Amino acid sequence: DAGVTQSPTHLIKTRGQQVTLRCSPKSGHDTVSWYQQALGQGPQFIFQYYEEEERQRGNFPDRFSGHQFPNYSSELNVNALLLGDSALYLCASSLEGGPEDIQYFGAGTRLSVL
Amino acid sequence: AQSVTQPDIHITVSEGASLELRCNYSYGATPYLFWYVQSPGQGLQLLLKYLSGDTLVQGIKGFEAEFKRSQSSFNLRKPSVHWSDAAEYFCAVDPIKAAGNKLTFGGGTRVLVKP
Repeated sequence: DAGVTQSPTHLIKTRGQQVTLRCSPKSGHDTVSWYQQALGQGPQFIFQYYEEEERQRGNFPDRFSGHQFPNYSSELNVNALLLGDSALYLCASSLEGGPEDIQYFGAGTRLSVL
Repeated sequence: AQSVTQPDIHITVSEGASLELRCNYSYGATPYLFWYVQSPGQGLQLLLKYLSGDTLVQGIKGFEAEFKRSQSSFNLRKPSVHWSDAAEYFCAVDPIKAAGNKLTFGGGTRVLVKP
């Protein structure tokens, strides 16, 4: 049973560019959340997708956008990259109304903005 | 302001010694509480959670945590640390208490294990 998978593992971009990160949730899960973890800090919630719609959003600018596909996989897009966007981006999945009430995390995508 | 605080940024412990990591939260009502561990190059793995009921919670890898309402704390403990426990530990809360709801994390505590 595959857990949460994220791609790519590492990414290097230049300021002003755009980036797309991908996430496949754990089998059977239908909800995907994205978090940003800056170096030396705890993860911060970006947004959550359920039924292909953004359901919750953290305190991030609209340069950060996302999408969820019918197969529950998700993408995180960041436009006009800034140096401060360099971080580990974590995807977490869960099952709406499920019995476990926990989120499973992927290994993350490390984004470096030069 | 609502927050989660992990007062210790780094902790060094000898292998075989006990470990306690502190977590304090500041919310009006008791949130759901979680402890996650992150090893280098890895994602977050759930160690244990408190939703309600018994205030002493058992988790994986020999960890336990105790919820103390009067102190707004949820401290993580392990009686005897192994070298493989070297990692970063995060306390997290869900104040909305809904399955899969967004988590608010503390800043983390990095644990170093001396041989």
